[in-house]
Amino acid sequence: DQQVKQNSPSLSVQEGRISILNCDYTNSMFDYFLWYKKYPAEGPTFLISISSIKDKNEDGRFTVFLNKSAKHLSLHIVPSQPGDSAVYFCAASRLNYGGSQGNLIFGKGTKLSVKP
Amino acid sequence: DVKVTQSSRYLVKRTGEKVFLECVQDMDHENMFWYRQDPGLGLRLIYFSYDVKMKEKGDIPEGYSVSREKKERFSLILESASTNQTSMYLCASSDTSGYTFGSGTRLTVV
Repeated sequence: DQQVKQNSPSLSVQEGRISILNCDYTNSMFDYFLWYKKYPAEGPTFLISISSIKDKNEDGRFTVFLNKSAKHLSLHIVPSQPGDSAVYFCAASRLNYGGSQGNLIFGKGTKLSVKP
Repeated sequence: DVKVTQSSRYLVKRTGEKVFLECVQDMDHENMFWYRQDPGLGLRLIYFSYDVKMKEKGDIPEGYSVSREKKERFSLILESASTNQTSMYLCASSDTSGYTFGSGTRLTVV
């Protein structure tokens, strides 16, 4: 049973436009959410995160929105650039006592292609 | 700079061989993880460890074992490699500041 779902396996966007990647989760105990970016033949790299006490977190061109009632989060990339082309993984966890992350549960990923 | 190093980028092994995948981190992290990544399946947790000599099964431990004799090193062992274990294997370590992944080992079992 998938606890973290990314229902779009791929997304194609024109350079300069907005990319919106979506993620749904089923476990209401999750309280920390992350997005990772992965290029071929490399490990995933952390992009941005949000805790359940917030509904938005912004870092440059990247913004993550969290809708707890809908158990939905999304990553917005504005403006999209060709270098953003990669696989994006949504992940969720519970924060342990002391603030460390519990095990990450990953979605299946969305492959973003940004066309020049 | 923080690093998780996986000993091999590409590996080709024969069916039935015993395979060792090595992972070393230099951040003094307590927690270490092994994932495999397959197209359409995302990252799936194989095993993890919260301390030296401690190990816990993840979601797909069958056919694998692990060893954590030292804090900085977490080894994944394929006892008898099979073709369905052809995959990208990713090691990670974590602390309160988050996860750091290695570059991955692309294993092909023929």
